[in-house]
Amino acid sequence: EAQVTQNPRYLITVTGKKLTVTCSQNMNHEYMSWYRQDPGLGLRQIYYSMNVEVTDKGDVPEGYKVSRKEKRNFPLILESPSPNQTSLYFCASSLSVGASNEKLFFGSGTQLSVL
Amino acid sequence: AQSVAQPEDQVNVAEGNPLTVKCTYSVSGNPYLFWYVQYPNRGLQFLLKYITGDNLVKGSYGFEAEFNKSQTSFHLKKPSALVSDSALYFCAVRDEWGDYKLSFGAGTTVTVRA
Repeated sequence: EAQVTQNPRYLITVTGKKLTVTCSQNMNHEYMSWYRQDPGLGLRQIYYSMNVEVTDKGDVPEGYKVSRKEKRNFPLILESPSPNQTSLYFCASSLSVGASNEKLFFGSGTQLSVL
Repeated sequence: AQSVAQPEDQVNVAEGNPLTVKCTYSVSGNPYLFWYVQYPNRGLQFLLKYITGDNLVKGSYGFEAEFNKSQTSFHLKKPSALVSDSALYFCAVRDEWGDYKLSFGAGTTVTVRA
């Protein structure tokens, strides 16, 4: 089944403890991205990647890191989480951008709480 | 800079009535416009998009959207709403002349009452 898989679904951690949220897609998509969803603010893009080893900042990249060593994986890293990073996170992928097949497929989300 | 606005936090309609969810955008170049829906306890799903061509775009579940360049709008419409259309709807825009960032609106919660 074609899908974007995020893990974990729920995560509670403490301030300063490094964590990684994994994201994997099995559709051979070139474009992958991370978003955070906060009430009243909608979805805000954190980072995106056009292909392997190509990553760029979105609108809210501060406090986050990403890597794209393989086409299928795009982990989100919080080196030193803080309470203001408590949010619902979504990973998404698209076959490509700027073409007729530009369309995001989303993972199920990761609810992160930083205490 | 690109941006998108959804002026209504909530839209309430009766089942069988027309549904409209508003979206306006701002870009420097030509817009790529999208609608996504988030059903309760389910992930986000693509509804439709406008890249170029006909101003009226048809999408999933009977939804359509009209691109209006002069009003910089991309309103989502459904002629006859269903209770199952109750969800959170997001409009998104990408500037054809920009980088590959995608900007979402704050979302509109649609409630369809039986």
